[in-house]
Amino acid sequence: QVQLQESGPGLVKPSQTLSLTCTVSGGSIVSRDYYWSWVRQPPGKDLEWIGYIYYSGSTHYNPSLESRLAISVDTSRNQFSLKLSSVTAADTAVYYCARERNYRNYYYMDVWGKGTTVTVSS
Amino acid sequence: DIQMTQSPSSLSASVGDRVTITCRASQGISNYLAWFQQKPGEAPKSLIYAASTLQSGVPSRFSGSGSGTDFSLTIGSLQPEDFATYYCQQYDSYPITFGQGTRLEIK
Repeated sequence: QVQLQESGPGLVKPSQTLSLTCTVSGGSIVSRDYYWSWVRQPPGKDLEWIGYIYYSGSTHYNPSLESRLAISVDTSRNQFSLKLSSVTAADTAVYYCARERNYRNYYYMDVWGKGTTVTVSS
Repeated sequence: DIQMTQSPSSLSASVGDRVTITCRASQGISNYLAWFQQKPGEAPKSLIYAASTLQSGVPSRFSGSGSGTDFSLTIGSLQPEDFATYYCQQYDSYPITFGQGTRLEIK
């Protein structure tokens, strides 16, 4: 059974870069059937899809974050990572990693991590 | 972006009740609609995809329906473990978007 676990600093200073890693266990990140995604939820607000990466390294980002965002994959460690630059208080959120599964050429989220809280504050 | 609107935002019900949550998309999304359950401090759990297909291991009291712009999630007979927040999500086009959630509380 695949499990995802987020890790990274819980506190980031404004204008700095937020960095998180998602470790995949119980299955390989190298698969044609999955995208590996990040989702966040600011306090009291809706869930927001951040972007995904394919095991080959190809990415697709939310246009609202694209200019500050980089998602990478390390297949040797079965991990993928998120870097969000120039953060502000508006980036304070619970960050989730998730797996998007291919079903008839459309991808839906079937497995999620428990989430990690990131606060942007000086 | 496709806007997803859920109703109601919160709902009080009793064990054994039948409840329905609705989700409306701002444009047609065929059946590319998923439902999730989330409990405090836990990972969101996939319940339904393709509008009506039950994820493996999900009890049969959960069902989904709809196509195009209007969708619903029905819980046939509420159990104590079903009290949680429920989200719909469209995956017809990127960026993927979510409903604002429906909080299901014990009456």
